[in-house]
Amino acid sequence: DAKTTQPPSMDCAEGRAANLPCNHSTISGNEYVYWYRQIHSQGPQYIIHGLKNNETNEMASLIITEDRKSSTLILPHATLRDTAVYYCIVSHLYNQGGKLIFGQGTELSVKP
Amino acid sequence: EPEVTQTPSHQVTQMGQEVILRCVPISNHLYFYWYRQILGQKVEFLVSFYNNEISEKSEIFDDQFSVERPDGSNFTLKIRSTKLEDSAMYFCASRGSSGNTIYFGEGSWLTVV
Repeated sequence: DAKTTQPPSMDCAEGRAANLPCNHSTISGNEYVYWYRQIHSQGPQYIIHGLKNNETNEMASLIITEDRKSSTLILPHATLRDTAVYYCIVSHLYNQGGKLIFGQGTELSVKP
Repeated sequence: EPEVTQTPSHQVTQMGQEVILRCVPISNHLYFYWYRQILGQKVEFLVSFYNNEISEKSEIFDDQFSVERPDGSNFTLKIRSTKLEDSAMYFCASRGSSGNTIYFGEGSWLTVV
């Protein structure tokens, strides 16, 4: 599985957009970009994933560069409850297996 | 929304004792996983399970560990003889047959004393 690089920590003001970057320069053609978050040792929570195109759901938007070597997770209006560790993971989950490998993630602190 | 459920939420056990952690994956999911997280460290992959057999396991998943799907709903992780260093949060996860998303439970916190 390709490795990712994320800043260890970021701050964001409540109500503002949080933009979390991720570099994955060795991503393979069939690997997806996944974002999960973990709030204070709870189970990792799925946020969003994408292959090539930008994606949006009720939680966030995922912007993937054209060369797929980096991506940005956008939380459009961050709240205090979005304070968590955010993990960017690249992986290929296929019919016989595949897994997610977690790195250290980015610790996002949303401040009032 | 369907979810992965785990029991117990917290267990304290004596060193050397056997522990079984239980998980009910999301209904109709076919791929199952166990991960662990030692306090203050990252989430680590232990094992994946599909079609009643282990698909992949990490170096952490040694002979002390085993997994089983004893019936159509439960997925268990057994630690035969617990060590102090087994103290961690253990997360179960599952994925559907055609899905690209793995969903995690809230975890079982194991404390070995």
